[in-house]
Amino acid sequence: DTAVSQTPKYLVTQMGNDKSIKCEQNLGHDTMYWYKQDSKKFLKIMFSYNNKELIINETVPNRFSPKSPDKAHLNLHINSLELGDSAVYFCASSHGTGVNQPQHFGDGTRLSIL
Amino acid sequence: TQLLEQSPQFLSIQEGENLTVYCNSSSVFSSLQWYRQEPGEGPVLLVTVVTGGEVKKLKRLTFQFGDARKDSSLHITAAQPGDTGLYLCTYSGGGADGLTFGKGTHLIIQP
Repeated sequence: DTAVSQTPKYLVTQMGNDKSIKCEQNLGHDTMYWYKQDSKKFLKIMFSYNNKELIINETVPNRFSPKSPDKAHLNLHINSLELGDSAVYFCASSHGTGVNQPQHFGDGTRLSIL
Repeated sequence: TQLLEQSPQFLSIQEGENLTVYCNSSSVFSSLQWYRQEPGEGPVLLVTVVTGGEVKKLKRLTFQFGDARKDSSLHITAAQPGDTGLYLCTYSGGGADGLTFGKGTHLIIQP
């Protein structure tokens, strides 16, 4: 009964490749997010989707493209992977967009670029 | 951009000791949240503080929001190894802005 699930958990690939990370939530939430956590454990918002509409894009390179086939899914596609893309990527979801709405996170996808 | 400064960055103590970690800013917030992230997992919400001076307790964890709503603290009594993790202070601007995190306090409780 996992609430927010991401696949794969680990992703090791070479520079220049294109890869996708999938995220699904079964909480009935209408807002989903992608965060990047760097090697120093600093978490930063990348994207959010509300009712299938992109709400924000925090200066993320256009090699990153979120795709949401429905409100339960928000996938992250990355083109032409670079060494600096190595990080842990977290998907999250929330009910509504209120300031105090708790966000529920997946367990992360650990991306390593060789 | 409102910055959240968390201190200490790293803390390693023995089981049974008490500790306090801090989240400070020069900005005023309508609310702050604390999340805990355990190794290999995503962050999990612990508490939301909304009112200046508010104190919330979660078992051995006590959270306080500063009177001026610029800072917050987390006090753990009689720490246990299960308290080990990364403690993150965060705020949300609302409107699906996502969360803005501090850099966290890495806490290790040694048996």
